[in-house]
Amino acid sequence: AQSVTQLGSHVSVSEGALVLLRCNYSSSVPPYLFWYVQYPNQGLQLLLKYTSAATLVKGINGFEAEFKKSETSFHLTKPSAHMSDAAEYFCAVSLAGGTSYGKLTFGQGTILTVHP
Amino acid sequence: NAGVTQTPKFQVLKTGQSMTLQCAQDMNHEYMSWYRQDPGMGLRLIHYSVGAGITDQGEVPNGYNVSRSTTEDFPLRLLSAAPSQTSVYFCASSYSRTILTDTQYFGPGTRLTVL
Repeated sequence: AQSVTQLGSHVSVSEGALVLLRCNYSSSVPPYLFWYVQYPNQGLQLLLKYTSAATLVKGINGFEAEFKKSETSFHLTKPSAHMSDAAEYFCAVSLAGGTSYGKLTFGQGTILTVHP
Repeated sequence: NAGVTQTPKFQVLKTGQSMTLQCAQDMNHEYMSWYRQDPGMGLRLIHYSVGAGITDQGEVPNGYNVSRSTTEDFPLRLLSAAPSQTSVYFCASSYSRTILTDTQYFGPGTRLTVL
C-alpha cells in the first residue's frame, strides 16, 4: 500500500526566505504525486502535480517541486516566502486501487507560518 | 460553474442522531469522494464513487453510508452519530473515473460536532 510522510507538522519562515516543505512517499510502483494547499476555513486547492513527465514541476503562486525517485521524495519549495503563503500544505499520492480506480492518499499536513 | 458545493457548513448533533451531508457538483465529473479531516491526520478517504450507481469504501467507511443516484450528487449519511465522528468533512470530485493523474476539486467543507 502507498503512504506519504510529511516531515515537520509546523514550519516557520521569515518573509522573503526560502520555503521548503518535505514529502516522502512509499510505493511499489511509480506514483503520481500532488501538493495541495488549504487556507484557513477553506477547502483544498491544487498547487501542482507530478504525472511522470518532467521531474521538476512548477505550480501556482511560485511554488515548485522536484520528483526524486532515488530518494522517494517530492519536496515543495518556493524561493521567497510571502505572508499570503501562510496555510496548511498537504502532499498526496495517487495509485491504482484493486479495481484499477485511483485513490488519493494524503500526508498529515504541514502548517506554514510566515513571519514579517 | 458553482464547482463543488456542500451543505450545511456547520452542524451540531447529539450522539445517536442521524443526518445527511450534501455534496453536489456541476462540472459533469465522474469521480466523487468524501474525506474527513482531523488534526495531525491529514485527509482520510471515507467513500468514493466512480459514476452514478457505483460506490466503494475508502479507508474509514464505518458509520457512514453513501449513494450516487445522479452524476451531480453524492450525499454522505451518518447513521447514528458518535463523538468520534466530530470532524471536518470534505467532498471532492474529478473528471476522470480513474483519478490517477486528474485534479480533484474540493468543496468548502462541513464542520460537524457530535456531542
